[in-house]
Amino acid sequence: DIQMTQSPSSLSASVGDRVTITCRASQSIGSYLNWYQLKPGNAPKLLIFAASILQRGVPSRFSGDGSGTGFTLTISSLQPEDFATYYCQQSHTTPLTFGGGTKVEV
Amino acid sequence: QVQLQESGPGLVRPSQTLSLTCTVSGGSIRTASDYWSWIRQPAGEGLEWIGRIHSSGSTNHNPSLKSRVTISVDTSKNQISLKLSSVTAADTAVYYCASLRECGSTSCNNYMDVWGKGTTVTVSS
Repeated sequence: DIQMTQSPSSLSASVGDRVTITCRASQSIGSYLNWYQLKPGNAPKLLIFAASILQRGVPSRFSGDGSGTGFTLTISSLQPEDFATYYCQQSHTTPLTFGGGTKVEV
Repeated sequence: QVQLQESGPGLVRPSQTLSLTCTVSGGSIRTASDYWSWIRQPAGEGLEWIGRIHSSGSTNHNPSLKSRVTISVDTSKNQISLKLSSVTAADTAVYYCASLRECGSTSCNNYMDVWGKGTTVTVSS
C-alpha cells in the first residue's frame, strides 16, 4: 500500500493567517493527489484534485501544489469556516489511502 | 448534483454482519458516477477506504479487510450497499459513501467529489 504522511497533525492559527499543510507519499504518485475537508456532522468536501485543480465552488484561497512524493495544501487567508480537519488522499493505486489528517484550530 | 445518504443499524453485535445502504438522489446510480465508494473513520482516527463498485458491477476492496467486504448495487432502488461480516469492536466507525469519478486524463486519476454525511456504527454486545 502507498503510505501517506501529513504534517503537522494539528496547528493553531488565526483568521487571516496563511496556512500550509504538507503531505508526503511513500512512493511517487505523479499528480494523483486529492485534498478533502472534514467537519463534524458534515459531509466531507472535496477541495482539490489532481494535486492542484480547484473543485468547482471551492474558494480560491485554497490552493494545492506538488508532484511525485511531496504535496502542499495552502489556505492563503484563513476564514472562520476553514477551521476543520484536512486529509490528503492518493488516487494512484488501490487501495486508495489517506493521510492521517491535519486539524486546523484556533 | 447527486446527494448521498447512508443508513443502517447503529448497533451491531460482535461476529455479526454489518449492513449499510447508501441512497443516491438527484441522478441515476448507473450514470451519475463512474464508481461508488465506501470509506470509514473510527472515532479519533483517520479515513480508511473500504472499497468501490463500478457502474458495470465490478468491485475492488481494501485487502486489509480481507474477504469480509461485499459491495453491491440495487439499480431499481438507486442504492449501494455495504456488508461487512464477522465484525469486531475495531469496525466501530462512521461509515461514508461517496461518488468516485475518473478524470480521463493522464494528469488526474480519480477523486471522490460527493459524499454522504455518514452513519455511525457501533459494534458492541
